[in-house]
Amino acid sequence: KAGVTQTPRYLIKTRGQQVTLSCSPISGHRSVSWYQQTPGQGLQFLFEYFSETQRNKGNFPGRFSGRQFSNSRSEMNVSTLELGDSALYLCASSKGWASGNQETQYFGPGTRLLVL
Amino acid sequence: GESVGLHLPTLSVQEGDNSIINCAYSNSASDYFIWYKQESGKGPQFIIDIRSNMDKRQGQRVTVLLNKTVKHLSLQIAATQPGDSAVYFCAENYSTIQGAQKLVFGQGTRLTINP
Repeated sequence: KAGVTQTPRYLIKTRGQQVTLSCSPISGHRSVSWYQQTPGQGLQFLFEYFSETQRNKGNFPGRFSGRQFSNSRSEMNVSTLELGDSALYLCASSKGWASGNQETQYFGPGTRLLVL
Repeated sequence: GESVGLHLPTLSVQEGDNSIINCAYSNSASDYFIWYKQESGKGPQFIIDIRSNMDKRQGQRVTVLLNKTVKHLSLQIAATQPGDSAVYFCAENYSTIQGAQKLVFGQGTRLTINP
């Protein structure tokens, strides 16, 4: 079974631009979560989507947004990029049952974003 | 508050020795914990998990211990190999009754295996 895939793997943008990152979950997984990883802040939760709905959101400004499609693929968008947005953006998927079950999240390789 | 922390940022062990990586968490209501391994240039890889109704779980060469009294987790790796060199994260899974998932990660420990 293929794992979580993310595209692109690397991106270079300049301040003020916007960027869209893509994530394809493991087949059959309906929940997709996004995380930001930086040396200073570590791994931080951005948001989680299930059945095209955002179920949970972390403490990030409104410049960070996402969406999920009917095939469970997800995109996240960062508008008006700042230097501090340079990070590894990780996507994780899980089965995402509707009840409060504990589930393992499996990560993709990440998209490394550099903002100049 | 939401925080999962690690006691040691780096750890070096000799190949073949056992290693122990520690983690403290703050939410006493947490009931599911996961250890991930992250190699350079890759995303976190699931190693082992444990639920709060257990105090020990074993996998292949890895054991996770959970002490709910002091809110402490540890990951034991037996007979370490060069391929075990990586950064190890503990994570606390927050889930709502509606099923919303969120992982809160520790800072990570860099494990180096010396030949």
